Amino acid sequence: SQTIHQWPATLVQPVGSPLSLECTVEGTSNPNLYWYRQAAGRGLQLLFYSVGIGQISSEVPQNLSASRPQDRQFILSSKKLLLSDSGFYLCAWGLRMPGEQYFGPGTRLTVT
Amino acid sequence: DQQVKQNSPSLSVQEGRISILNCDYTNSMFDYFLWYKKYPAEGPTFLISISSIKDKNEDGRFTVFLNKSAKHLSLHIVPSQPGDSAVYFCAASAMGGSNYKLTFGKGTLLTVNP
Repeated sequence: SQTIHQWPATLVQPVGSPLSLECTVEGTSNPNLYWYRQAAGRGLQLLFYSVGIGQISSEVPQNLSASRPQDRQFILSSKKLLLSDSGFYLCAWGLRMPGEQYFGPGTRLTVT
Repeated sequence: DQQVKQNSPSLSVQEGRISILNCDYTNSMFDYFLWYKKYPAEGPTFLISISSIKDKNEDGRFTVFLNKSAKHLSLHIVPSQPGDSAVYFCAASAMGGSNYKLTFGKGTLLTVNP
């Protein structure tokens, strides 16, 4: 069966510090991978998606970047965090067809 | 421009009654629709989906209805249980390309009272 891991579960970082969130998927090959953010009291906003190794598409201009160094690994990064980067970050995977995406447990990021 | 809209931020129902969650969309290219359930501090869990070639899909206590002409879908939960209390997100996917991105609504908080 497929599983998706995200870490860390919670993170408190000062403004201006770097960020690295990691997501890995097991039990499937060549998935589409996605990063979402849920800000307080708001819906899920798609940040990045990837259809293959090294292929990253950005949905919104922002202070964040993403990379996919391996087939089942997706990394969300920032060189300098802003207060507005606080939120709940979710990684998801999906097959290359219309259908469900499956979400990881999420990372709660608080920028102070 | 919000392409998927859940106009009710919250809904409260009694245990055993029907819960009806609504969702409207504006993009006529959407052809696959999904409902997710989310508890606080957890990732969303897939509930049920429907393709645009259907108008109804049922799975146990959950039924999704799609009205393409009105660009409207709804999720019915019968009977509602206290454990159903969560935020429910409607999502849609457009045909074409290989990314199969989902566009989410802002969610509806369902509270089922014992």
